[in-house]
Amino acid sequence: ILNVEQSPQSLHVQEGDSTNFTCSFPSSNFYALHWYRWETAKSPEALFVMTLNGDEKKKGRISATLNTKEGYSYLYIKGSQPEDSATYLCAFSNFGNEKLTFGTGTRLTIIP
Amino acid sequence: DVKVTQSSRYLVKRTGEKVFLECVQDMDHENMFWYRQDPGLGLRLIYFSYDVKMKEKGDIPEGYSVSREKKERFSLILESASTNQTSMYLCASRPGITAQHFGDGTRLSIL
Repeated sequence: ILNVEQSPQSLHVQEGDSTNFTCSFPSSNFYALHWYRWETAKSPEALFVMTLNGDEKKKGRISATLNTKEGYSYLYIKGSQPEDSATYLCAFSNFGNEKLTFGTGTRLTIIP
Repeated sequence: DVKVTQSSRYLVKRTGEKVFLECVQDMDHENMFWYRQDPGLGLRLIYFSYDVKMKEKGDIPEGYSVSREKKERFSLILESASTNQTSMYLCASRPGITAQHFGDGTRLSIL
């Protein structure tokens, strides 16, 4: 079983502040790294799918970077808003594998 | 928009019962997945299917089986439910290696 680790497990951030968290994954046979946002009582929603080393993706105030050689990805949120409160999941897949292996998530709470 | 529909949001069953969780997607995706989510453990893959009548075990298949008779429908079966199968179950689908689309989840309690 592949090991995908996310840190921190939980995070409280003041509204308006920026924040970031980390996903670590095995660097060998890398194929893709996914980020999802999971709000309470809703289904997980895809944020990004990243495949190339050095990739940077952006969606509004949220962006992500990818380092496949060292096996980590950062998710950044700029100017946090209450609606950003959610659990953020990353998931990894390697070559020839349809399966995604998920981390346990970072639970983000924005304090108004 | 892709729609992944799970048949129930909440379900309560008794130990030893045969339980069916149904999932339907409307976008002709080849791949479908069943996960369970437990506190502190994240999403764990139970089974997945990459085509009709094809299935592969995930990381925790024990106590479960699946059925995919039609492309749009992927069923998870608990042959004889036990209390340690109380969990949140999530279905997902995707075409090829792209982002997954998830259902709203079924919170299953086994008494």
